[in-house]
Amino acid sequence: DTAVSQTPKYLVTQMGNDKSIKCEQNLGHDTMYWYKQDSKKFLKIMFSYNNKELIINETVPNRFSPKSPDKAHLNLHINSLELGDSAVYFCASSQGGQGPQETQYFGPGTRLLVL
Amino acid sequence: GQNIDQPTEMTATEGAIVQINCTYQTSGFNGLFWYQQHAGEAPTFLSYNVLDGLEEKGRFSSFLSRSKGYSYLLLKELQMKDSASYLCAVREGGSNYQLIWGAGTKLIIKP
Repeated sequence: DTAVSQTPKYLVTQMGNDKSIKCEQNLGHDTMYWYKQDSKKFLKIMFSYNNKELIINETVPNRFSPKSPDKAHLNLHINSLELGDSAVYFCASSQGGQGPQETQYFGPGTRLLVL
Repeated sequence: GQNIDQPTEMTATEGAIVQINCTYQTSGFNGLFWYQQHAGEAPTFLSYNVLDGLEEKGRFSSFLSRSKGYSYLLLKELQMKDSASYLCAVREGGSNYQLIWGAGTKLIIKP
């Protein structure tokens, strides 16, 4: 049983295209996240949702739009892809409380390559 | 401002002990996490500290000093499979559930 799953695992596409990455968690968590990890391996938070409500929206281009249809799903849509968008995108979830409940569990990542 | 510092890379020998340090400057403090990330894989949770002192979990231990803004991860009886990046992350004050992440320490284990 996969706790946090993402699709697709690999995504190769041309500049200018629009693509979506899907994330689902079956842990019953209230909070979900999207991270970008670039070639230098630095994890950068992009968005976070708590019970379908956006609570973190870091400075990312508005070409990136998250959508949470329910608290088990958080999808990421990217418009007009650019070369600099090439990275690994991780979805994560947590219970969203205090202390150890804030432990985040990560999906396997989506490796995006923009040509 | 927010800042988390870790060494970029460390090398250790199989069977030995290694200590990976993390110093932080954040707006408030509500806990510190250590994660392990193998190449090409997702980060996985290792430990959580919110009170000063040492938390031991098998071969791995994590220490926290809140007054010094300092933590370390101690790995004993190193195995080749411990070759990975180790990420330090701090939960700031506030209620937006955000973790501030360090850049990670790449640990290379040699036979």
